[in-house]
Amino acid sequence: GAVVSQHPSRVICKSGTSVKIECRSLDFQATTMFWYRQFPKQSLMLMATSNEGSKATYEQGVEKDKFLINHASLTLSTLTVTSAHPEDSSFYICSAPQTGNSPLHFGNGTRLTVT
Amino acid sequence: AQSVSQHNHHVILSEAASLELGCNYSYGGTVNLFWYVQYPGQHLQLLLKYFSGDPLVKGIKGFEAEFIKSKFSFNLRKPSVQWSDTAEYFCAVNAYNQGGKLIFGQGTELSVKP
Repeated sequence: GAVVSQHPSRVICKSGTSVKIECRSLDFQATTMFWYRQFPKQSLMLMATSNEGSKATYEQGVEKDKFLINHASLTLSTLTVTSAHPEDSSFYICSAPQTGNSPLHFGNGTRLTVT
Repeated sequence: AQSVSQHNHHVILSEAASLELGCNYSYGGTVNLFWYVQYPGQHLQLLLKYFSGDPLVKGIKGFEAEFIKSKFSFNLRKPSVQWSDTAEYFCAVNAYNQGGKLIFGQGTELSVKP
């Protein structure tokens, strides 16, 4: 079945550094991918919609200059957390629909810890 | 704006008890509805989905959900839970005209006592 691969699964970085998270659709093309953030014991909050070949669409309250999204190909979207702060520590999850409104396929998530 | 509300934050049941988790959404148009499960330390998995047709949807692991359009509800049920059902359950809504964008409920933590 369709698979979304997310890398890395876990990353620890120091405050002020940048971290890049990759999301790949392994056996299908995804013109759109979604990035979510999940705080402990909380639900997933949509951060942004990644659009292949164009700018990402950010949800209200999400800083686009802090969370840089690039969707350079039909199988890869990246989320870069710039100048990371401890409050950016969270679980980041990407997803991609295989076709139209088909159920989204989720990556395994990335646990980011900023020290 | 769309929103999804799950009424129960934490549900504790004994094995073999019946389960019903509430989910209500606010959106006046056509929607697709989903229930996802997240086992401890694991990623989200799709339990079941509703796109159209029979409002009673059966999913994996004995779960089912009923879409009641007049109540804007999509409650999840299971007649007899098992200890292995201990997990976090998320209801999600996708508005028909918004591609694959999902709005999630707050989640319900289910603890099943052996």
